[in-house]
Amino acid sequence: AQSVSQHNHHVILSEAASLELGCNYSYGGTVNLFWYVQYPGQHLQLLLKYFSGDPLVKGIKGFEAEFIKSKFSFNLRKPSVQWSDTAEYFCAVIPGGYSSASKIIFGSGTRLSIRP
Amino acid sequence: ETGVTQSPTHLIKTRGQQVTLRCSSQSGHNTVSWYQQALGQGPQFIFQYYREEENGRGNFPPRFSGLQFPNYSSELNVNALELDDSALYLCASSSDRGRRETQYFGPGTRLLVL
Repeated sequence: AQSVSQHNHHVILSEAASLELGCNYSYGGTVNLFWYVQYPGQHLQLLLKYFSGDPLVKGIKGFEAEFIKSKFSFNLRKPSVQWSDTAEYFCAVIPGGYSSASKIIFGSGTRLSIRP
Repeated sequence: ETGVTQSPTHLIKTRGQQVTLRCSSQSGHNTVSWYQQALGQGPQFIFQYYREEENGRGNFPPRFSGLQFPNYSSELNVNALELDDSALYLCASSSDRGRRETQYFGPGTRLLVL
């Protein structure tokens, strides 16, 4: 079955530390990849997305992600986190192939806590 | 804010009852998707509606049904509620049904089934 795995359930960092959140997916064909973020009390919102082209994609708020096709991975990175990055982060995939539905498959999420 | 609104924000029901949740899409969007997010989990796709017709369905039983109206607002109906239906229900709208269209999420309706 198609799935998305996020390796870390909860990550705790100090401000200014570097961040890398892991994400692997199990789908062999073309995929569209996303990272969503949910700040406390707010809507789920798109952080960045990859469809094709340069495998290093930049998103909002200084986040970036790298698509490594051979590893089925799409890890999220930020060089220096801030307290305001405290949130739940979800990796997600829309598989390609014949389907008219843009069905997003989400990982289980990683809760990021930043110590001031 | 995404322009997607949902009502009600919270709801408590008992087992066996029926519930209707509502979603108002962002202006100009003709596609709406519904997701169920259980506590501690990522959202799971329930179904998608495109121009008032069901356009794909996830692994949910038929007691989960939906509607999309001519103004592209939408409803999610759940019959014969079970305890495991307790979750946050999210709707997301997009300007079209293509995979490259960004889906904008609403704040969700939190349903508790007792």
